[in-house]
Amino acid sequence: EPEVTQTPSHQVTQMGQEVILRCVPISNHLYFYWYRQILGQKVEFLVSFYNNEISEKSEIFDDQFSVERPDGSNFTLKIRSTKLEDSAMYFCASSAQGRNSPLHFGNGTRLTVT
Amino acid sequence: GIQVEQSPPDLILQEGANSTLRCNFSDSVNNLQWFHQNPWGQLINLFYIPSGTKQNGRLSATTVATERYSLLYISSSQTTDSGVYFCAVVASSGGGADGLTFGKGTHLIIQP
Repeated sequence: EPEVTQTPSHQVTQMGQEVILRCVPISNHLYFYWYRQILGQKVEFLVSFYNNEISEKSEIFDDQFSVERPDGSNFTLKIRSTKLEDSAMYFCASSAQGRNSPLHFGNGTRLTVT
Repeated sequence: GIQVEQSPPDLILQEGANSTLRCNFSDSVNNLQWFHQNPWGQLINLFYIPSGTKQNGRLSATTVATERYSLLYISSSQTTDSGVYFCAVVASSGGGADGLTFGKGTHLIIQP
């Protein structure tokens, strides 16, 4: 069964540094998402992406965040200047038909900001 | 936005027991999914079930969309069923690319 793959699985960075989290969605999917889960809390929506542009974003997704689909397969989340509170698990997801089809999640990238 | 409430928040059972997890949501939905988050943090998709009933082995789920709730049944629990179970929905009223809204989860512990 096709999978969403995320790299790296763990990332440690220093406060103020830029990080790029990478995702390869399922190949025939058209909608892409990033979610965040702070340790012990619920999974929170960050952003959705369709037709090469952001479709929806939450209040969490402020100016320090950006997303990009640089080629036909990768989908990236960039955090420009990391803060301690950005430490979390970041999940990428994709779906074939947006809200009318299931979202498939990757295994996540655990980001630790020191 | 849509509210998702899960109950109970915590559940401790002996191996072999059955359990029912509940998810209430505040608006009509296009998408409802149940996930199991394992101890490594991975989100395992259990069911895509905006309405109706589905079964997969020892697990089954029912969504009564008109009454805005969904139930996840786990029968003959095993220790590997331990973890957090999340319900997540997409409201019908939103845009085509709206993301899932997650509940806070039910933390299930199965004791041997």
